Amino acid sequence: KAGVTQTPRYLIKTRGQQVTLSCSPISGHRSVSWYQQTPGQGLQFLFEYFSETQRNKGNFPGRFSGRQFSNSRSEMNVSTLELGDSALYLCASSLERASSNTEAFFGQGTRLTVV
Amino acid sequence: AQTVTQSQPEMSVQEAETVTLSCTYDTSENNYYLFWYKQPPSRQMILVIRQEAYKQQNATENRFSVNFQKAAKSFSLKISDSQLGDTAMYFCAFMKHDNYGQNFVFGPGTRLSVLP
Repeated sequence: KAGVTQTPRYLIKTRGQQVTLSCSPISGHRSVSWYQQTPGQGLQFLFEYFSETQRNKGNFPGRFSGRQFSNSRSEMNVSTLELGDSALYLCASSLERASSNTEAFFGQGTRLTVV
Repeated sequence: AQTVTQSQPEMSVQEAETVTLSCTYDTSENNYYLFWYKQPPSRQMILVIRQEAYKQQNATENRFSVNFQKAAKSFSLKISDSQLGDTAMYFCAFMKHDNYGQNFVFGPGTRLSVLP
């Protein structure tokens, strides 16, 4: 079956602009999580959506937001981009809640460069 | 809050040899999961192995095994018969087991190079 698909793969934006990233989870998965990966801070949790509701949120400013649609596809938006937002943004999907049978599958990420 | 520490930023191993990557974590939770993920140059995170905290038996997955010491909050990964394709960043990760959402807390990673 198809894996987690993130689009676009690469993106270059200018400071002050906004950007929207998309994540299509594996069919049947209802949980979608987003992570920011930078050389300095490593992998940091942004937020998680489950059945269209934000279920969990990391420690990021309000410029970072997201949503999930009824088909479980998720988007994250970053407004008023800063140079420090340059990162690899990873999306992970899983069936439901953490359990002994839960495995999270990651997409290949979107590489965002802010200039 | 949970934290995950990986004290070895970089390691190297000869092909066919065995290597152990270290991970320690801090939590007050009793029910949780621990994971090792690998991230090759393609950037896609791939699950290597998973351990449920309530299970005393160490998880194994082919050439990969863990040494889970709950009291010491230690979760090391042993890779036997290392292969060139094992070259990657390895992340240790923690996840709580509750009904209030789920998210990984990742360690900083260990860059493993398998040498021919």
